[in-house]
Amino acid sequence: GAVVSQHPSRVICKSGTSVKIECRSLDFQATTMFWYRQFPKKSLMLMATSNEGSKATYEQGVEKDKFLINHASLTLSTLTVTSAHPEDSSFYICSATGTSGRRNGELFFGEGSRLTVL
Amino acid sequence: LAKTTQPISMDSYEGQEVNITCSHNNIATNDYITWYQQFPSQGPRFIIQGYKTKVTNEVASLFIPADRKSSTLSLPRVSLSDTAVYYCLVGGLGFQKLVFGTGTRLLVSP
Repeated sequence: GAVVSQHPSRVICKSGTSVKIECRSLDFQATTMFWYRQFPKKSLMLMATSNEGSKATYEQGVEKDKFLINHASLTLSTLTVTSAHPEDSSFYICSATGTSGRRNGELFFGEGSRLTVL
Repeated sequence: LAKTTQPISMDSYEGQEVNITCSHNNIATNDYITWYQQFPSQGPRFIIQGYKTKVTNEVASLFIPADRKSSTLSLPRVSLSDTAVYYCLVGGLGFQKLVFGTGTRLLVSP
Protein backbone atom coordinates (compact mmCIF):
# COMPACT_ATOMS: atom_id res chain seq x y z
CA GLY A 1 0.00 0.00 0.00
CA ALA A 2 0.92 3.64 -0.37
CA VAL A 3 3.36 4.99 2.15
CA VAL A 4 3.15 8.55 0.88
CA SER A 5 -0.26 10.04 0.31
CA GLN A 6 -1.19 13.27 -1.46
CA HIS A 7 -4.41 15.18 -1.15
CA PRO A 8 -6.31 16.28 -3.10
CA SER A 9 -5.66 14.09 -6.13
CA ARG A 10 -7.45 16.58 -8.34
CA VAL A 11 -8.35 20.21 -7.80
CA ILE A 12 -9.91 22.82 -10.01
CA CYS A 13 -9.80 26.43 -8.96
CA LYS A 14 -10.41 29.87 -10.30
CA SER A 15 -7.59 32.15 -11.32
CA GLY A 16 -6.37 34.24 -8.42
CA THR A 17 -7.18 31.78 -5.68
CA SER A 18 -4.70 29.80 -3.61
CA VAL A 19 -4.57 26.05 -3.48
CA LYS A 20 -2.96 23.84 -0.86
CA ILE A 21 -1.70 20.33 -1.59
CA GLU A 22 -0.81 18.01 1.27
CA CYS A 23 1.79 15.29 1.28
CA ARG A 24 1.78 12.81 4.15
CA SER A 25 4.09 9.97 5.03
CA LEU A 26 1.87 7.24 6.39
CA ASP A 27 4.14 4.88 8.25
CA PHE A 28 7.50 6.57 8.62
CA GLN A 29 9.00 9.85 9.66
CA ALA A 30 9.84 11.88 6.59
CA THR A 31 12.79 14.05 7.43
CA THR A 32 13.06 15.25 3.85
CA MET A 33 10.36 15.80 1.27
CA PHE A 34 10.67 16.83 -2.33
CA TRP A 35 8.15 18.56 -4.55
CA TYR A 36 8.07 18.00 -8.28
CA ARG A 37 6.07 19.46 -11.11
CA GLN A 38 5.25 17.59 -14.28
CA PHE A 39 3.77 18.90 -17.51
CA PRO A 40 2.01 16.56 -19.95
CA LYS A 41 4.37 14.07 -21.56
CA LYS A 42 7.33 15.68 -19.84
CA SER A 43 9.62 14.48 -17.09
CA LEU A 44 9.38 15.42 -13.45
CA MET A 45 10.98 18.74 -12.59
CA LEU A 46 12.25 19.22 -9.07
CA MET A 47 10.82 22.37 -7.51
CA ALA A 48 12.10 22.31 -3.98
CA THR A 49 13.49 20.27 -1.13
CA SER A 50 12.07 20.63 2.33
CA ASN A 51 13.51 19.41 5.59
CA GLU A 52 11.34 19.15 8.65
CA GLY A 53 11.46 22.28 10.73
CA SER A 54 13.46 24.38 8.31
CA LYS A 55 12.85 26.51 5.26
CA ALA A 56 12.57 24.82 1.90
CA THR A 57 15.36 25.05 -0.64
CA TYR A 58 14.02 26.01 -4.03
CA GLU A 59 15.48 25.12 -7.40
CA GLN A 60 16.57 27.89 -9.71
CA GLY A 61 13.67 29.49 -11.49
CA VAL A 62 11.05 28.40 -8.97
CA GLU A 63 9.34 31.33 -7.26
CA LYS A 64 9.32 30.71 -3.52
CA ASP A 65 6.62 33.32 -2.96
CA LYS A 66 4.46 31.61 -5.54
CA PHE A 67 4.95 28.08 -4.30
CA LEU A 68 4.91 28.11 -0.51
CA ILE A 69 6.23 24.95 1.09
CA ASN A 70 5.76 24.07 4.73
CA HIS A 71 7.21 20.99 6.42
CA ALA A 72 6.13 21.55 9.98
CA SER A 73 6.02 17.92 11.07
CA LEU A 74 7.76 14.66 10.27
CA THR A 75 4.69 13.34 8.51
CA LEU A 76 3.32 16.32 6.64
CA SER A 77 4.50 18.77 4.03
CA THR A 78 2.27 21.19 2.19
CA LEU A 79 2.63 23.02 -1.09
CA THR A 80 0.50 26.12 -1.51
CA VAL A 81 0.17 27.61 -4.96
CA THR A 82 -0.64 31.24 -4.27
CA SER A 83 -2.70 33.42 -6.59
CA ALA A 84 -2.92 30.60 -9.08
CA HIS A 85 -3.02 31.30 -12.79
CA PRO A 86 -3.75 28.99 -15.72
CA GLU A 87 -0.03 28.51 -16.37
CA ASP A 88 0.25 26.95 -12.92
CA SER A 89 -1.95 24.09 -14.09
CA SER A 90 0.17 20.99 -13.79
CA PHE A 91 0.67 17.66 -12.06
CA TYR A 92 2.40 18.09 -8.72
CA ILE A 93 4.14 15.14 -7.08
CA CYS A 94 5.78 14.85 -3.70
CA SER A 95 8.29 12.33 -2.51
CA ALA A 96 9.64 11.59 0.91
CA THR A 97 12.58 9.92 2.55
CA GLY A 98 13.16 9.24 6.18
CA THR A 99 15.25 7.64 8.83
CA SER A 100 12.86 5.23 10.46
CA GLY A 101 13.21 1.48 10.49
CA ARG A 102 13.11 -0.23 7.12
CA ARG A 103 12.23 3.02 5.42
CA ASN A 104 15.65 4.37 6.19
CA GLY A 105 17.02 6.07 3.15
CA GLU A 106 14.30 4.86 0.79
CA LEU A 107 12.48 7.36 -1.39
CA PHE A 108 8.72 7.09 -1.84
CA PHE A 109 6.49 9.04 -4.17
CA GLY A 110 2.96 10.24 -3.65
CA GLU A 111 0.17 9.60 -6.13
CA GLY A 112 0.32 13.13 -7.47
CA SER A 113 -2.12 16.04 -7.51
CA ARG A 114 -3.50 17.48 -10.70
CA LEU A 115 -4.18 21.19 -10.50
CA THR A 116 -6.32 22.90 -13.10
CA VAL A 117 -6.64 26.67 -12.91
CA LEU A 118 -9.50 28.16 -14.88
CA LEU B 1 24.59 14.99 -9.76
CA ALA B 2 25.07 12.23 -12.27
CA LYS B 3 23.17 12.94 -15.47
CA THR B 4 21.39 10.07 -17.17
CA THR B 5 20.65 9.44 -20.82
CA GLN B 6 17.97 7.04 -22.01
CA PRO B 7 16.20 6.37 -25.30
CA ILE B 8 13.14 8.57 -25.60
CA SER B 9 10.85 5.74 -26.61
CA MET B 10 10.71 2.02 -27.29
CA ASP B 11 8.12 -0.26 -28.83
CA SER B 12 7.55 -3.91 -28.05
CA TYR B 13 4.96 -6.65 -28.26
CA GLU B 14 3.35 -8.71 -25.57
CA GLY B 15 5.47 -11.60 -24.38
CA GLN B 16 8.77 -10.14 -25.50
CA GLU B 17 11.69 -9.24 -23.29
CA VAL B 18 12.46 -5.53 -23.17
CA ASN B 19 15.84 -4.08 -22.30
CA ILE B 20 16.17 -0.38 -21.60
CA THR B 21 19.68 0.98 -21.28
CA CYS B 22 20.65 4.08 -19.35
CA SER B 23 23.98 5.90 -19.58
CA HIS B 24 25.42 7.60 -16.51
CA ASN B 25 29.04 8.33 -17.34
CA ASN B 26 29.76 10.50 -14.30
CA ILE B 27 28.29 8.23 -11.66
CA ALA B 28 29.93 8.71 -8.27
CA THR B 29 31.36 6.00 -6.07
CA ASN B 30 28.54 6.26 -3.56
CA ASP B 31 25.74 6.42 -6.13
CA TYR B 32 23.14 3.72 -6.54
CA ILE B 33 21.10 3.17 -9.69
CA THR B 34 17.34 3.08 -9.33
CA TRP B 35 14.62 2.58 -11.89
CA TYR B 36 11.09 3.89 -11.57
CA GLN B 37 7.94 3.26 -13.56
CA GLN B 38 5.31 5.92 -14.10
CA PHE B 39 1.81 5.56 -15.47
CA PRO B 40 -0.16 8.61 -16.66
CA SER B 41 -1.43 10.78 -13.82
CA GLN B 42 0.32 8.70 -11.16
CA GLY B 43 3.46 9.16 -9.13
CA PRO B 44 6.58 7.15 -10.03
CA ARG B 45 6.74 3.64 -8.65
CA PHE B 46 9.95 1.90 -7.57
CA ILE B 47 10.99 -1.02 -9.76
CA ILE B 48 14.51 -2.01 -8.84
CA GLN B 49 17.75 -0.70 -7.41
CA GLY B 50 21.35 -1.82 -7.68
CA TYR B 51 24.95 -0.84 -7.17
CA LYS B 52 26.89 -3.26 -9.32
CA THR B 53 26.63 -6.55 -11.25
CA LYS B 54 23.12 -7.96 -11.41
CA VAL B 55 20.03 -7.56 -9.32
CA THR B 56 16.79 -9.43 -9.84
CA ASN B 57 13.40 -9.16 -8.22
CA GLU B 58 9.94 -10.42 -9.04
CA VAL B 59 9.33 -7.88 -11.80
CA ALA B 60 12.67 -7.02 -13.39
CA SER B 61 16.41 -7.48 -13.58
CA LEU B 62 19.05 -4.81 -13.50
CA PHE B 63 22.39 -5.33 -15.16
CA ILE B 64 25.29 -3.07 -14.24
CA PRO B 65 28.71 -3.49 -15.88
CA ALA B 66 31.92 -3.25 -13.92
CA ASP B 67 32.56 0.39 -14.83
CA ARG B 68 29.00 1.31 -13.72
CA LYS B 69 28.75 3.93 -16.48
CA SER B 70 25.56 2.39 -17.74
CA SER B 71 22.81 0.07 -16.62
CA THR B 72 20.15 -2.00 -18.31
CA LEU B 73 16.67 -2.63 -17.03
CA SER B 74 15.31 -5.93 -18.29
CA LEU B 75 11.59 -6.62 -18.26
CA PRO B 76 10.82 -10.26 -19.03
CA ARG B 77 7.75 -11.09 -21.09
CA VAL B 78 6.10 -7.68 -21.08
CA SER B 79 2.35 -7.25 -21.11
CA LEU B 80 0.11 -4.40 -22.20
CA SER B 81 0.08 -3.14 -18.63
CA ASP B 82 3.81 -2.50 -18.80
CA THR B 83 3.16 0.41 -21.15
CA ALA B 84 4.56 3.30 -19.13
CA VAL B 85 7.47 5.68 -18.80
CA TYR B 86 10.60 4.25 -17.21
CA TYR B 87 13.10 6.49 -15.46
CA CYS B 88 16.67 5.71 -14.52
CA LEU B 89 18.00 7.71 -11.60
CA VAL B 90 21.41 7.83 -10.00
CA GLY B 91 22.12 9.01 -6.49
CA GLY B 92 23.26 8.13 -3.03
CA LEU B 93 21.02 6.41 -0.52
CA GLY B 94 18.82 9.02 1.08
CA PHE B 95 18.43 10.38 -2.44
CA GLN B 96 19.10 13.98 -1.78
CA LYS B 97 17.85 16.08 -4.67
CA LEU B 98 17.03 13.42 -7.24
CA VAL B 99 16.89 14.81 -10.76
CA PHE B 100 14.83 13.02 -13.36
CA GLY B 101 15.99 12.62 -16.92
CA THR B 102 13.75 12.31 -19.93
CA GLY B 103 12.71 8.74 -19.21
CA THR B 104 11.87 6.07 -21.79
CA ARG B 105 8.31 5.78 -23.00
CA LEU B 106 7.63 2.08 -23.55
CA LEU B 107 4.66 1.09 -25.67
CA VAL B 108 3.64 -2.56 -25.59
CA SER B 109 1.31 -3.65 -28.36
CA PRO B 110 -0.78 -6.82 -28.70
